[in-house]
Amino acid sequence: AQSVAQPEDQVNVAEGNPLTVKCTYSVSGNPYLFWYVQYPNRGLQFLLKYITGDNLVKGSYGFEAEFNKSQTSFHLKKPSALVSDSALYFCAVRDREGGYNKLIFGAGTRLAVHP
Amino acid sequence: DGGITQSPKYLFRKEGQNVTLSCEQNLNHDAMYWYRQDPGQGLRLIYYSQIVNDFQKGDIAEGYSVSREKKESFPLTVTSAQKNPTAFYLCASSRDTGGWTEAFFGQGTRLTVV
Repeated sequence: AQSVAQPEDQVNVAEGNPLTVKCTYSVSGNPYLFWYVQYPNRGLQFLLKYITGDNLVKGSYGFEAEFNKSQTSFHLKKPSALVSDSALYFCAVRDREGGYNKLIFGAGTRLAVHP
Repeated sequence: DGGITQSPKYLFRKEGQNVTLSCEQNLNHDAMYWYRQDPGQGLRLIYYSQIVNDFQKGDIAEGYSVSREKKESFPLTVTSAQKNPTAFYLCASSRDTGGWTEAFFGQGTRLTVV
């Protein structure tokens, strides 16, 4: 089965500094990778995805992610963090089993941006 | 507005009761999913469905049941067999069943056993 790992429970960054939230994946075949964000007591919002093509994917709210096949990573990045970026971030991968497709999520990384 | 609606937002269950969480989408999406979220454990898949009258067990299906009688509706029943049901439940849908389109999430239902 496919899986993703988010090695950091929490990431702290000062406002205006660049941020990185890490994700590594384990898949057989070509990976379909996603990033979502969750604000307190809310559902998840889609940020960006990698299916194929350019390794640098641009998404919502100024976020981007770099797909690195050799390192099996899909780290989320933003050049300049905002306090409003503080939230819980999830990496996800498509898993295909028995002809059915489903999304498998990492444990999440809490991002705290300090003024 | 198109979207995915979960109700209720908060739900309290007594020991031994079955409760049903509602999930409705007007996005004309084929695939629908139920996830459970516990602190520090991320999202775990309970059930998913790619077409009406068909659904598959996820990683933690024990103690839960679903139905998919209509394309737009995917209710989740938490049965008395689920020993630790207190959690945040999230419903999602996606346009296709191939797994390459993003999922849209509802706002969640917080279930508490009292």
